[in-house]
Amino acid sequence: SQQGEEDPQALSIQEGENATMNCSYKTSINNLQWYRQNSGRGLVHLILIRSNEREKHSGRLRVTLDTSKKSSSLLITASRAADTASYFCATDPDKLIFGTGTRLQVFP
Amino acid sequence: EAQVTQNPRYLITVTGKKLTVTCSQNMNHEYMSWYRQDPGLGLRQIYYSMNVEVTDKGDVPEGYKVSRKEKRNFPLILESPSPNQTSLYFCASTRLAGDATYEQYFGPGTRLTVT
Repeated sequence: SQQGEEDPQALSIQEGENATMNCSYKTSINNLQWYRQNSGRGLVHLILIRSNEREKHSGRLRVTLDTSKKSSSLLITASRAADTASYFCATDPDKLIFGTGTRLQVFP
Repeated sequence: EAQVTQNPRYLITVTGKKLTVTCSQNMNHEYMSWYRQDPGLGLRQIYYSMNVEVTDKGDVPEGYKVSRKEKRNFPLILESPSPNQTSLYFCASTRLAGDATYEQYFGPGTRLTVT
């Protein structure tokens, strides 16, 4: 069964708005990673947050992790049309297990 | 440029005709893996390899074989493809950091259709 589940399944916003995606997982983890996938392409690693971290930033990306709730969120600020993609969270403990993804569409 | 390459990118074949999808990485990574991606199911790991001559089953290994004779190559073999193996396949190569974190680099994907 899948470890990570993203919510919402799909999200449509205007350029300049913020996009928030959530991920829930089932078992304890060492770290959680977020990936982006452009349509039909391979996944690109965005950011990793360790289990002992609560928040992490990378450019316009902000990731939070709440291990007590077994959940994480990815915030993309000031979104751009180029951010249109599917976003996946992936968790270990011993190997990456991917959720089904959130499809983000950013309209110009 | 660090990259993972896969070939072919697209393949339409018939049931039962053996095929191989190649995967190669130029980053000297020890860990490589194969995933399939299906709508509503996300990515599921088929096989992985911790190093040369070391392979192990992932979550959905049935109907697939792999080999790891060299560090850079990790081919996926379908001995007798069936229509339920129609999917988008990704090879990944993993950089293992010393602090038990890791990052996967994905190939561009192979879209396989079995009729």
